[in-house]
Amino acid sequence: QVQLVQSGAEVMKPGASVKVSCKASGYKFVNFAMNWVRQAPGQRLEWMGSINAGNGYTKYSENFQGRVTIVRDTSATTVYMELSSLISGDTAVYYCARSKFYYDRNGWQSDAYDIWGQGTVVSVSS
Amino acid sequence: EIVMTQSPATLSVSPGERATLSCRASQSIDDNLAWYQQKPGRPPSLLIYGASTRATEIPARFSGSGSGTDFTLTISSLQSEDSAVYYCQQYNNWPRTFGQGTKVEIK
Repeated sequence: QVQLVQSGAEVMKPGASVKVSCKASGYKFVNFAMNWVRQAPGQRLEWMGSINAGNGYTKYSENFQGRVTIVRDTSATTVYMELSSLISGDTAVYYCARSKFYYDRNGWQSDAYDIWGQGTVVSVSS
Repeated sequence: EIVMTQSPATLSVSPGERATLSCRASQSIDDNLAWYQQKPGRPPSLLIYGASTRATEIPARFSGSGSGTDFTLTISSLQSEDSAVYYCQQYNNWPRTFGQGTKVEIK
């Protein structure tokens, strides 16, 4: 069956970097995009960035000021999200989510998120 | 950035009654809108995409409507298992943005 399995919970110090993985299975990896969304306690869902697994092209939220990097390993059917210069406000549950992608005159686009990972808790504390 | 605004914040509905949730975009997003359901401790799950198309295995009591800036999610006959937070999301423009959520409670 189609599933996304994320890496385990992390406890980090301020200023450090965290790398979360998302292992995809049950579908053709390069035919879809992967998106990263986080949810701080009691807050709304926040989009962080997306990667076109076919060509590796990425889109990032400017809210993270260059702190987010998303890469994919097609042989391992795994996407990685790295968040650097962590602060306490980065404490959240981080989700990967699959979507279709397509191309229009503005470049590549992602569709709605049909499959979600189980979430990875990242806690940032001194 | 497109701002998504949902109302009401909380909705309390009796079993079998209709629940109507609203989502408004700060500018037109055509029909590039999705609705997600999230239960405590669980990831969100896709209910509706393209503003009105039910995702796989979603019961017919869930329906979506709207286009442009105003959208509605209707649960025609609320069941106890529908107690959750519901989020709308636009995927017309980058950055993708979500509403703040509507919590549906069973009265």
